[in-house]
Amino acid sequence: EAGVAQSPRYKIIEKRQSVAFWCNPISGHATLYWYQQILGQGPKLLIQFQNNGVVDDSQLPKDRFSAERLKGVDSTLKIQPAKLEDSAVYLCASSLAGSSSYEQYFGPGTRLTVT
Amino acid sequence: GNSVTQMEGPVTLSEEAFLTINCTYTATGYPSLFWYVQYPGEGLQLLLKATKADDKGSNKGFEATYRKETTSFHLEKGSVQVSDSAVYFCALSDGGATNKLIFGTGTLLAVQP
Repeated sequence: EAGVAQSPRYKIIEKRQSVAFWCNPISGHATLYWYQQILGQGPKLLIQFQNNGVVDDSQLPKDRFSAERLKGVDSTLKIQPAKLEDSAVYLCASSLAGSSSYEQYFGPGTRLTVT
Repeated sequence: GNSVTQMEGPVTLSEEAFLTINCTYTATGYPSLFWYVQYPGEGLQLLLKATKADDKGSNKGFEATYRKETTSFHLEKGSVQVSDSAVYFCALSDGGATNKLIFGTGTLLAVQP
């Protein structure tokens, strides 16, 4: 079974530029998560989708971050404009459903450096 | 709010030594508790979990027991190997409307031959 795919793996941009990350979850997984992992910290949930609807985006900085999950499969996370403090690893995860009974499977992450 | 506190690293051990990584949590209700592992260059993987008080999660020789009275979920292994070198994250899920995981800051384990 293929795992969660993310691209790109690495991205370097200057502040105030825009960037987008892509995630392809495990086939059949209804729930998709984006986490931000700043160096030296644990991952923090940015947004959770159930199919193509948003379940929780309470910690998403909506003035600069946006995410969508068209057709309930792939998802993109965008930052516009980027700030230095956005430098982090962005992790995508998916699970069969949204309860804690279902394991979350993580992708390899996208490492973003904002200069 | 809910939170997880785990011991800071790095933890450096010799092969076959005993491992303990401490984890305590603050949560309302009855959270599920997890240990995730991140090997160099790889994504996070679930190592073990426990969903109620006194449950013991185990996998690959690692164990952790859900202790409600001390709000702890310490990770242990009797004999570590070089291949166990990784970053270990303790996490909880409050089981509410979302399956949001709240992570600790991670503990780097380095096992020397």
